[in-house]
Amino acid sequence: GNSVTQMEGPVTLSEEAFLTINCTYTATGYPSLFWYVQYPGEGLQLLLKATKADDKGSNKGFEATYRKETTSFHLEKGSVQVSDSAVYFCALSADDKIIFGKGTRLHILP
Amino acid sequence: DADVTQTPRNRITKTGKRIMLECSQTKGHDRMYWYRQDPGLGLRLIYYSFDVKDINKGEISDGYSVSRQAQAKFSLSLESAIPNQTALYFCATSSFLAGGLSTPGELFFGEGSRLTVL
Repeated sequence: GNSVTQMEGPVTLSEEAFLTINCTYTATGYPSLFWYVQYPGEGLQLLLKATKADDKGSNKGFEATYRKETTSFHLEKGSVQVSDSAVYFCALSADDKIIFGKGTRLHILP
Repeated sequence: DADVTQTPRNRITKTGKRIMLECSQTKGHDRMYWYRQDPGLGLRLIYYSFDVKDINKGEISDGYSVSRQAQAKFSLSLESAIPNQTALYFCATSSFLAGGLSTPGELFFGEGSRLTVL
């Protein structure tokens, strides 16, 4: 079946550090891939998405590239801010369902 | 006003009680979902509905039931609550991806309903 695996947290970084959160997936066919972010006390919101191989999604300085050959969709940001502290979820859409990874909690220290 | 509204936001109840969580949306989306969030387990799909006459079980539907009263309303019921149903519950909506493919697009979430079963 379809599944998403993302790196476990928590991840703690200093402000302005480089961020990578790894995400790999298993799916039949050609899923669409997403990163969602959940700020404290809020629901999830879409951060970025990619719908086909080699697409790059980007938003708020975050980027992720759909890599079919490695079945990956790693999230990156060049310089994180304290306001980026949140839980990040990788997700895939296939077979009329959206499946989430377990989430990675990110702490950014000033 | 929020596009996806959940009520109640917080609820404490006792084992064996019947509980209903309600969700309404103003986005005009056909597809609605109920997810459960537990620490370390991410979000797990309970039920989903593609229109008023279409209800589907997700990966953890046991102990839950749903009702799609209208396009804009989708409620989740726990007929007899038990402590391991203590969790944060999210309602979400979606439409097709651009291009009209039969694939769920972006999900729009409510703010969540925190349920505690004692």
